[in-house]
Amino acid sequence: DTGVSQDPRHKITKRGQNVTFRCDPISEHNRLYWYRQTLGQGPEFLTYFQNEAQLEKSRLLSDRFSAERPKGSFSTLEIQRTEQGDSAMYLCASSPPQGRPGTQYFGPGTRLLVL
Amino acid sequence: AQSVAQPEDQVNVAEGNPLTVKCTYSVSGNPYLFWYVQYPNRGLQFLLKYITGDNLVKGSYGFEAEFNKSQTSFHLKKPSALVSDSALYFCAVRLATDSWGKLQFGAGTQVVVTP
Repeated sequence: DTGVSQDPRHKITKRGQNVTFRCDPISEHNRLYWYRQTLGQGPEFLTYFQNEAQLEKSRLLSDRFSAERPKGSFSTLEIQRTEQGDSAMYLCASSPPQGRPGTQYFGPGTRLLVL
Repeated sequence: AQSVAQPEDQVNVAEGNPLTVKCTYSVSGNPYLFWYVQYPNRGLQFLLKYITGDNLVKGSYGFEAEFNKSQTSFHLKKPSALVSDSALYFCAVRLATDSWGKLQFGAGTQVVVTP
């Protein structure tokens, strides 16, 4: 049973560079979420996909952020022109199709440091 | 607006003693409530959830939580703590009416279990 995987696990970049993270959800999970966690805080919701459709975006997701899930399987989160304030742990979670609320299963996260 | 509060930044307990991690919530509707645990440099692991029914929910690793509607609380408990329970614990809430299922997390409580 493979869980949610994320790549890379760590990323160090210079301010102004673009970065892209990948998330592979649990197979057959059609719901996929991105969260951001800063030091000392709980995860904050960024965006949600159901299959390939991006159905909700948080106000935290500025114009520099874009997320895709082109075939309803893996997802990518891109940050353009990174800023030091983007330094955080980026978490991906997936959950199964549901009639009742499904549990979200989280990946190990990608820790981003912007210098 | 919904919110989750974890009033204690840190809980210290001796191994073998009961462990309680507090969580209160504020929502304008019926909540679904979750507990997750996070070990250093790892993603979040699901412990348990309350959807409906019995107010006492049993979860993984001997943890349980009690939903108290009148006090709007969902405290996490373990009768006998282990050193390996030392980690960061997050309470999360989701509105029953939220079709997309995004979670709102508390700030987390660091649990330290001493031998």
